[in-house]
Amino acid sequence: SQTIHQWPATLVQPVGSPLSLECTVEGTSNPNLYWYRQAAGRGLQLLFYSIGIDQISSEVPQNLSASRPQDRQFILSSKKLLLSDSGFYLCAWGAGGRGTEAFFGQGTRLTVV
Amino acid sequence: QKEVEQDPGPLSVPEGAIVSLNCTYSNSAFQYFMWYRQYSRKGPELLMYTYSSGNKEDGRFTAQVDKSSKYISLFIRDSQPSDSATYLCAAYKAAGNKLTFGGGTRVLVKP
Repeated sequence: SQTIHQWPATLVQPVGSPLSLECTVEGTSNPNLYWYRQAAGRGLQLLFYSIGIDQISSEVPQNLSASRPQDRQFILSSKKLLLSDSGFYLCAWGAGGRGTEAFFGQGTRLTVV
Repeated sequence: QKEVEQDPGPLSVPEGAIVSLNCTYSNSAFQYFMWYRQYSRKGPELLMYTYSSGNKEDGRFTAQVDKSSKYISLFIRDSQPSDSATYLCAAYKAAGNKLTFGGGTRVLVKP
């Protein structure tokens, strides 16, 4: 069966520091991969999605970037965090092709102080 | 206007009642519809997935899609306190290869 791992679960970082959140998927190949952000009490905002290695689309211009160095690895990064980057970050995978439902990791709660 | 709209709630019901959740969408290109349940500080969990108009039932959960009205619903029968969570609807269209989520409805089932 497929599983998705996302870490760390919580993170407190000072303003101006770098960020690296990692997500890996097991049990499937060539998945679609997604990064979402969820502000408190709000819905999910799609940040990046990827249909293959080094194929990444950005949905929102911002202080963040994403990379997919391996088929089942998706990384969210920032060179210098802003206070507004605080939120709940979720990685998800989808089967592609039929490309419908997405399956989520447990999320990373990021607080920028 | 958001492409998928959802009342944020909270929706409070007594244990055993039917929970009724709704979403509307604006883009007729959406083809697939999903409901997710999200507990506090956790990732969303897929509950139901539907494609065509009509009903789909899975245990205590029933998902309804009315494409003519651009309206999707989720019903939870015999609600339990463990059903207390935020419920997110989502819609998918092939162009763009991504899901669009509603803002979520918070549900409280009181014992």
